[in-house]
Amino acid sequence: EDQVTQSPEALRLQEGESSSLNCSYTVSGLRGLFWYRQDPGKGPEFLFTLYSAGEEKEKERLKATLTKKESFLHITAPKPEDSATYLCAVQAGGNEKLTFGTGTRLTIIP
Amino acid sequence: DTAVSQTPKYLVTQMGNDKSIKCEQNLGHDTMYWYKQDSKKFLKIMFSYNNKELIINETVPNRFSPKSPDKAHLNLHINSLELGDSAVYFCASSQQVNQPQHFGDGTRLSIL
Repeated sequence: EDQVTQSPEALRLQEGESSSLNCSYTVSGLRGLFWYRQDPGKGPEFLFTLYSAGEEKEKERLKATLTKKESFLHITAPKPEDSATYLCAVQAGGNEKLTFGTGTRLTIIP
Repeated sequence: DTAVSQTPKYLVTQMGNDKSIKCEQNLGHDTMYWYKQDSKKFLKIMFSYNNKELIINETVPNRFSPKSPDKAHLNLHINSLELGDSAVYFCASSQQVNQPQHFGDGTRLSIL
């Protein structure tokens, strides 16, 4: 069965303090790894899709990378508005479903 | 313009009742999904429809029945509600099954 583990569960950073979130996965035949951001009371908002090891995607202060076992979401010089829960999900094999991790709750302190 | 909209946003009801949640997407997507997010924020797939046809049916009690009248709509009917059904239910859609999914803002279901 596909498994996704995110770490840390929660992360508090000072504004401007860069860091990385980790998403480790165990799947049979990765078809895609997805990063989402979820704000309180809202649905997950799509950020990135990564399809193969070595791929990188960037958007503003966020950069996602992928290896054969894990993905990192790097946050450079974060601002308070980057505070949210970041979710990682995988799609694998002949399975159409997304399997989500439990998320990392990120808090940026002004 | 809301891409994926769910109604109602909040649903408070008694145990044993039957209720429905509606979902509509205006993105022209072919595939729609229902997810359940529990109190620990874990998001789990329940059902998926592609062009009105059921393609994913996870281990969900048969009290839950999805219905897709057309590509743009996917409703969820729940019979004989139980305390454990309390959660946030999210609807999502994607162009194809391996494309990014776009989520609604959820329906918070509370069972008294």
